[in-house]
Amino acid sequence: AQKVTQAQTEISVVEKEDVTLDCVYETRDTTYYLFWYKQPPSGELVFLIRRNSFDEQNEISGRYSWNFQKSTSSFNFTITASQVVDSAVYFCALSGENAGNNRKLIWGLGTSLAVNP
Amino acid sequence: DAGVIQSPRHEVTEMGQEVTLRCKPISGHNSLFWYRQTMMRGLELLIYFNNNVPIDDSGMPEDRFSAKMPNASFSTLKIQPSEPRDSAVYFCASRGRETQYFGPGTRLLVL
Repeated sequence: AQKVTQAQTEISVVEKEDVTLDCVYETRDTTYYLFWYKQPPSGELVFLIRRNSFDEQNEISGRYSWNFQKSTSSFNFTITASQVVDSAVYFCALSGENAGNNRKLIWGLGTSLAVNP
Repeated sequence: DAGVIQSPRHEVTEMGQEVTLRCKPISGHNSLFWYRQTMMRGLELLIYFNNNVPIDDSGMPEDRFSAKMPNASFSTLKIQPSEPRDSAVYFCASRGRETQYFGPGTRLLVL
């Protein structure tokens, strides 16, 4: 079975702090994709990053960075020097190559991040 | 390129009325998904189309819900008759390069 766990339900930080959002996944697929999406208070779901299972290189995009570790089945997301505009719910998701699930996205429950001024 | 387009953005209706939500996927994407999001149940996949064919509708709550995709550039989700418990945000997403891109959502309130 496939599963995504975001153990942190809510996180509250003060602006300029660094914050890491945890994501742990389970899958039996050898080929799979991991994603992070952001849902700000306005409600839209914004794609942030996709990672495939063969690429364990960490990625940095501005203040955002992602750490993918197959050994621990984790795909963690770090925001450096957080800003109020980072306040949102962040979802981690998994898509496998298993034809049985038609490559649907398996979603975590999300982590609500509040960045306070 | 325009993103996924959904209409209407907001809908308020009375119990028993028919509601039709519309979605235009990103051009070139051949998979389309309908989701529902509520505080109680989070994000739920309702139905998924591939090349305009419904592949998995196991998430459709009941017969009051139906979805169609008559062509590659248009899909509808219909609720008939609507009930207050259908109140939610309904998202459409299309997939390209293994990634789902979401529309802005339709916020539905059934009174």
